[in-house]
Amino acid sequence: EVQLVESGGGLVKPGGSLRLSCAASGFTFSSYSMTWVRQAPGKGLEWVSSITSSSDYIYYADSVKGRFTISRDNAKNSLFLQMNSLRAEDTGVYFCARLFALPAAPDYWGQGTLVTVSS
Amino acid sequence: EIVLTQSPDVLSVTPKEKVTITCRASQSIGSSLHWYQQKPDQSPKLLVKHASQSFSGVPSRFTGSGSGTDFTLTINSLEAEDAATYYCHQSNSLPGTFGQGTKVEIK
Repeated sequence: EVQLVESGGGLVKPGGSLRLSCAASGFTFSSYSMTWVRQAPGKGLEWVSSITSSSDYIYYADSVKGRFTISRDNAKNSLFLQMNSLRAEDTGVYFCARLFALPAAPDYWGQGTLVTVSS
Repeated sequence: EIVLTQSPDVLSVTPKEKVTITCRASQSIGSSLHWYQQKPDQSPKLLVKHASQSFSGVPSRFTGSGSGTDFTLTINSLEAEDAATYYCHQSNSLPGTFGQGTKVEIK
């Protein structure tokens, strides 16, 4: 069974940083591209970033480019999102998901982790 | 950026009714269109990929069709457990955009 478990969310002040993690199990993590998608409270879904299986290609939404960094550790079956210079509009639930097609077509999703940016 | 527009925004339907949700893309995306179901406080679940391919384990009452710019998700014989928000999503080009969502309510 594919499982994706996010962690690392929390309350942070504007301008602060957070690092999200996603632990994967139930599939060969090193064979799949992965992605982060976020959802602001009461709003729709927004693609954030994707990374290929070997980290050869990385993609970002314009809204986070230069502030967020996606990475992965295939030896530890883990995906990460380093978020710097956080803004109020970055508030929301961040989902880790496995991709079945590039650049952004998830099949399995984690349960999400809440990031709140507020003073 | 490719814009996806869903209609309607909200649907109120009775069980066993047939539901049709449409998704229109601002430019042609071939069959790179996927449908998701999201229930309150849950993560999205993939229903249909590449416009018409049912995802593993999804009930057969969920079907997708279309290509190019116009796509449809059909729920045949709606069940109470289908109350949710449905999103279309394109992976033809970056950024990977989503429709605004269609909320299906049960009467």
